[in-house]
Amino acid sequence: GESVGLHLPTLSVQEGDNSIINCAYSNSASDYFIWYKQESGKGPQFIIDIRSNMDKRQGQRVTVLLNKTVKHLSLQIAATQPGDSAVYFCAENKGYKYIFGTGTRLKVLA
Amino acid sequence: DGGITQSPKYLFRKEGQNVTLSCEQNLNHDAMYWYRQDPGQGLRLIYYSQIVNDFQKGDIAEGYSVSREKKESFPLTVTSAQKNPTAFYLCASSPQFSTDTQYFGPGTRLTVL
Repeated sequence: GESVGLHLPTLSVQEGDNSIINCAYSNSASDYFIWYKQESGKGPQFIIDIRSNMDKRQGQRVTVLLNKTVKHLSLQIAATQPGDSAVYFCAENKGYKYIFGTGTRLKVLA
Repeated sequence: DGGITQSPKYLFRKEGQNVTLSCEQNLNHDAMYWYRQDPGQGLRLIYYSQIVNDFQKGDIAEGYSVSREKKESFPLTVTSAQKNPTAFYLCASSPQFSTDTQYFGPGTRLTVL
């Protein structure tokens, strides 16, 4: 498998519990944010996005919260399942360019 | 079935060789991107193309080259000038350049022997 997950912070969650993954972004002028999920050896998969004029956005089992005051983004996954095990990282759009976080590994315990 | 494809999935290169990584998309997206992913680091932008026949250097373009002769294709050549090419390479595309969501291909793992 791909070694992109080395040296990443890890969040271990019991199956069925809720997961919260956090991300601190760098630029207060960023106006668009994305959460990606990356499984070992695969490309990142879009999960959910949010624009800076919103504080919260919900999808299917996932919610993204944006706190512009402290430049913080979080991803909440409800009823975490084994298939949610992956590396999750955030991306902020700064003008034309995206800045990607290093990611958090989510481990779902049976 | 629309999407972004990359080939090959695994690529091995001897020192001094140039190799080309393929990226194709059938999403009719104008913009395409190449990123490099290393363990413990965020994605780093190598090159991007806003539209066909145009491309620009990203943050780490040295030792790489690209072309964009067709809208659906954006191949990346890793030249012998790239001193540390072993990495996972990701191609992405978006409808337009700037704030559109970027969608990624499955990646190519390049290893230098």
